[in-house]
Amino acid sequence: AQTVTQSQPEMSVQEAETVTLSCTYDTSESNYYLFWYKQPPSRQMILVIRQEAYKQQNATENRFSVNFQKAAKSFSLKISDSQLGDTAMYFCAFMNLQGGSEKLVFGKGTKLTVNP
Amino acid sequence: NAGVTQTPKFRILKIGQSMTLQCAQDMNHNYMYWYRQDPGMGLKLIYYSVGAGITDKGEVPNGYNVSRSTTEDFPLRLELAAPSQTSVYFCASSSLGGRTEAFFGQGTRLTVV
Repeated sequence: AQTVTQSQPEMSVQEAETVTLSCTYDTSESNYYLFWYKQPPSRQMILVIRQEAYKQQNATENRFSVNFQKAAKSFSLKISDSQLGDTAMYFCAFMNLQGGSEKLVFGKGTKLTVNP
Repeated sequence: NAGVTQTPKFRILKIGQSMTLQCAQDMNHNYMYWYRQDPGMGLKLIYYSVGAGITDKGEVPNGYNVSRSTTEDFPLRLELAAPSQTSVYFCASSSLGGRTEAFFGQGTRLTVV
């Protein structure tokens, strides 16, 4: 079974600084997707960024970028120029694309607080 | 744009009661999921469906049932509610599994007393 591990329950960062959230995963498959979702206090789940395992280039979305290390099964999220609105829970998620079992599996989350 | 609609938003159940959490999407998505989120925790997959008439168990299916008679609807049934089922429930859908973004409903906060 695939598992997703986020080793940092909580993190904080000063506004305008850079923070990196860690995520590791365990799978024996080679074809999969990785995601970072944001959950603000409103509870709404918002997709931040997505990485396809077969692409070596790291995904970027404005201030958000990932460091995808396939051999190490690591998928960290870097937030640059942190803003107060980035305060939220961040979840790393994994989806296997093989075997007809496309389950989206989440880690336990990292609570990020951006301080003014 | 409705997206994924969950009803109700809040519910209090007594132990042993049953209820159905409704989930509907208007995006013609094939994939639908039910998750539960306990306080301070991540989302655990209860059941999922890759299309009408097809459902499968996730990580924590015990105490729940689902059906998928149409593409749009994916109700989650709780039989004989227990305090351990107190949680926030999220429904999600996507068009091509991981190839596209999963859209989430606003969640249902369920308390079993």
